[in-house]
Amino acid sequence: GAVVSQHPSRVICKSGTSVKIECRSLDFQATTMFWYRQFPKKSLMLMATSNEGSKATYEQGVEKDKFLINHASLTLSTLTVTSAHPEDSSFYICSARGGGNSPLHFGNGTRLTVT
Amino acid sequence: GENVEQHPSTLSVQEGDSAVIKCTYSDSASNYFPWYKQELGKRPQLIIDIRSNVGEKKDQRIAVTLNKTAKHFSLHITETQPEDSAVYFCAASISGGFKTIFGAGTRLFVKA
Repeated sequence: GAVVSQHPSRVICKSGTSVKIECRSLDFQATTMFWYRQFPKKSLMLMATSNEGSKATYEQGVEKDKFLINHASLTLSTLTVTSAHPEDSSFYICSARGGGNSPLHFGNGTRLTVT
Repeated sequence: GENVEQHPSTLSVQEGDSAVIKCTYSDSASNYFPWYKQELGKRPQLIIDIRSNVGEKKDQRIAVTLNKTAKHFSLHITETQPEDSAVYFCAASISGGFKTIFGAGTRLFVKA
């Protein structure tokens, strides 16, 4: 089945620094990937839709200059949290669709802690 | 945009009993409804899905029903087991690569 790999699984960084999270589709091409944020015991909140070769589409309330998304190839999307702040600490998870009517497949998620 | 409501937020059942989780959606254009199971610290895993041209789908102990008119769909787990304990999310989307919107999740506890 479709596999989505996300790296790193955990990262701790200091306030003011930037962190890059990678999401790769390993055995399929994904023209569209999705980035979600999940707070403890809460649902998956869609942050943005990453489109290969074009700009990402951000959900209302998500700062595009803070959460930079790049989808340079059909198998890789990156999320960069810029000028990280403790409130950015969360579980970030990406997903991709294999095309057509196939379901979403999720990466393992990245737990970000900003100190 | 689409809004998905999910109830209950927490559900506790005795092993062997059935569990039912209900969701409603707002966008009548939504036509694909997956259900995901997420264990603590792990990725959501698709357990069953249903498309709008079908009213019910079953896979062993898991079944999903869809009422397009009322815009609600439900997950039914029969003969629950302790390993069914997890958070379950319903979702709605328009198939073809459009974004998927998730419900708030239901934390299911199955007591042995």
